[in-house]
Amino acid sequence: DADVTQTPRNRITKTGKRIMLECSQTKGHDRMYWYRQDPGLGLRLIYYSFDVKDINKGEISDGYSVSRQAQAKFSLSLESAIPNQTALYFCATSDPQGRAGGDTQYFGPGTRLTVL
Amino acid sequence: SQKIEQNSEALNIQEGKTATLTCNYTNYSPAYLQWYRQDPGRGPVFLLLIRENEKEKRKERLKVTFDTTLKQSLFHITASQPADSATYLCARAGRDDKIIFGKGTRLHILP
Repeated sequence: DADVTQTPRNRITKTGKRIMLECSQTKGHDRMYWYRQDPGLGLRLIYYSFDVKDINKGEISDGYSVSRQAQAKFSLSLESAIPNQTALYFCATSDPQGRAGGDTQYFGPGTRLTVL
Repeated sequence: SQKIEQNSEALNIQEGKTATLTCNYTNYSPAYLQWYRQDPGRGPVFLLLIRENEKEKRKERLKVTFDTTLKQSLFHITASQPADSATYLCARAGRDDKIIFGKGTRLHILP
């Protein structure tokens, strides 16, 4: 089974709709992240959480909100989706004390979101 | 601000040759640099980490260098194969424990 899972994998929605993307992990990591990836812009950090009670804005948090329901679950919401939020969204986890060293990121498979 | 730049958007290399990808950073030297591989439609996968006090790190056909004078990391794939074709992302340790990613280089290994 995958260590980091995301649902849904693909979603098409309309402008103004509320959307929730969910992320679950079995790695036992405290740190979780949401990124979006756009062609030519690379990975950009939306929100991150270093433990259940810690939520922080990233580089591009406007228009998004998050909820850390448990150590293993981190959800991203688009309160009122707009077309320029069409992108590939990735959840990631990390453990700064892990064997890989640094704060190595472990990514989920991604959610492709299209806002019409 | 802390930036990380991968100069080439795309790189074509003949099979069997060594592919070399470049990553440059600005501002202070990060405590470490990382390289990830990303296949189309998939999440990035961690490959290697190199610390500021390390000049070189190897893993099988992969080699990474860290030059604090040039503010640069080089990522080499020796004896390249078509299966090595992917996008490779460089990342630096930033302040506040966040990782900052470059935009990536698409590598095509031509048979």
